[in-house]
Amino acid sequence: QVHLVESGGGVVQPGRSLRLSCAASGFTFSRHGMHWVRQAPGKGLEWVAHIWSDGNSKNYADSVKGRFTISRDNSKNTVHLQMNSLRVEDTAVYYCAREQRIVGLTNWLDPWGQGTRVTVSS
Amino acid sequence: SSDLTQPPSVSVSPGQTARITCSGDALAKQHGYWYQQKPGQAPVLVIYKDDERPSGIPERFSGSGSGTTATLTISGVQAEDEADYYCQAGHSSGTFVVFGGGTKLTVL
Repeated sequence: QVHLVESGGGVVQPGRSLRLSCAASGFTFSRHGMHWVRQAPGKGLEWVAHIWSDGNSKNYADSVKGRFTISRDNSKNTVHLQMNSLRVEDTAVYYCAREQRIVGLTNWLDPWGQGTRVTVSS
Repeated sequence: SSDLTQPPSVSVSPGQTARITCSGDALAKQHGYWYQQKPGQAPVLVIYKDDERPSGIPERFSGSGSGTTATLTISGVQAEDEADYYCQAGHSSGTFVVFGGGTKLTVL
């Protein structure tokens, strides 16, 4: 059974850093790209970052570019999101999700983890 | 703002058919996907590649796509279908995804 479990969320002051982790199980982790998606309180889903299966390519939303870094450790079936220079507007539940992809055609997210809550407040 | 446009809310009575639309230029070249999110829970994929249903998703969920619009149809709506629904467009590069703003389905 495919399972994703996020951790690392919490309350942090503006300008500080936080590192989120997502532990994967039940599938061949090294064959799948991974995404982070966030959801601010009462708001919709916002795509945050993506990393290729081999970790060699990363992509970020403009809202986090230069502040967030996605990484992965295929030996530990884990993907991370390093969040620096946090802002109040980064407050959200952060979900990791496995990418399903038809190369050169399309991609989607399935499944998703249960999410970890990040609150940025002074 | 989102590159995909959904109605903020849709209301139906139990047993009726609910249709939720998603419009955007990205859908002209890409498949559409739909996620269901119940309060306090993570999103769950209910339709992929426009009209495919993952295993475990009830048959009353169906999808279609035409031009720049994708549609999620729930036939014979049940109380348990009350949730937020988000559409998503894929990308050929595989490096990011685009979400719609979400539609709150209310079962009257």
